[in-house]
Amino acid sequence: DTGVSQDPRHKITKRGQNVTFRCDPISEHNRLYWYRQTLGQGPEFLTYFQNEAQLEKSRLLSDRFSAERPKGSFSTLEIQRTEQGDSAMYLCASSSARNQPQHFGDGTRLSIL
Amino acid sequence: AQTVTQSQPEMSVQEAETVTLSCTYDTSESDYYLFWYKQPPSRQMILVIRQEAYKQQNATENRFSVNFQKAAKSFSLKISDSQLGDAAMYFCAQYTGNQFYFGTGTSLTVIP
Repeated sequence: DTGVSQDPRHKITKRGQNVTFRCDPISEHNRLYWYRQTLGQGPEFLTYFQNEAQLEKSRLLSDRFSAERPKGSFSTLEIQRTEQGDSAMYLCASSSARNQPQHFGDGTRLSIL
Repeated sequence: AQTVTQSQPEMSVQEAETVTLSCTYDTSESDYYLFWYKQPPSRQMILVIRQEAYKQQNATENRFSVNFQKAAKSFSLKISDSQLGDAAMYFCAQYTGNQFYFGTGTSLTVIP
């Protein structure tokens, strides 16, 4: 069990650019979640996958955000045409079942210049 | 709508003493789970303790225990014999449906 890994750890980009983050969950976990966390706040749910199916998507998620989990293993989160307000820590978590606790990665910190 | 409220942005405790962190939640669902997570500075979130809503018995995990008051929708965390390593941001979370809802966190300082 190597835990949830996220790549990159930090991303600095100019406003208007596209960015893509990757999350590798714990191998036997079929549930994968993406969150956004800003300074002084708790994680805010973005989207949820069960295997390769995206089953939940927050209404807060604009159409500039898209997530995939093509083979039910790793997942990617893409943000198109980044804006200043996208600056945040993006957290990925996985779990083995509905009522089981989530295991979090270290996050990807996004800074928009 | 599901909401989780942590009314204490900051708390401090003397080493070896006991501290209680408050959390209230609001849900119309009958099937849900409650969690406390700890996030040390610049480190990943880790689970502290979990409680199934259908269980009346309060969960305990070593020095950590909860006071789950279902009717009042209250879920406080008690840390006994506080240690320096307990210093962190603590988040209360509710799991309903397929989503986790987190509070805004309580920053705990442990004074040597």
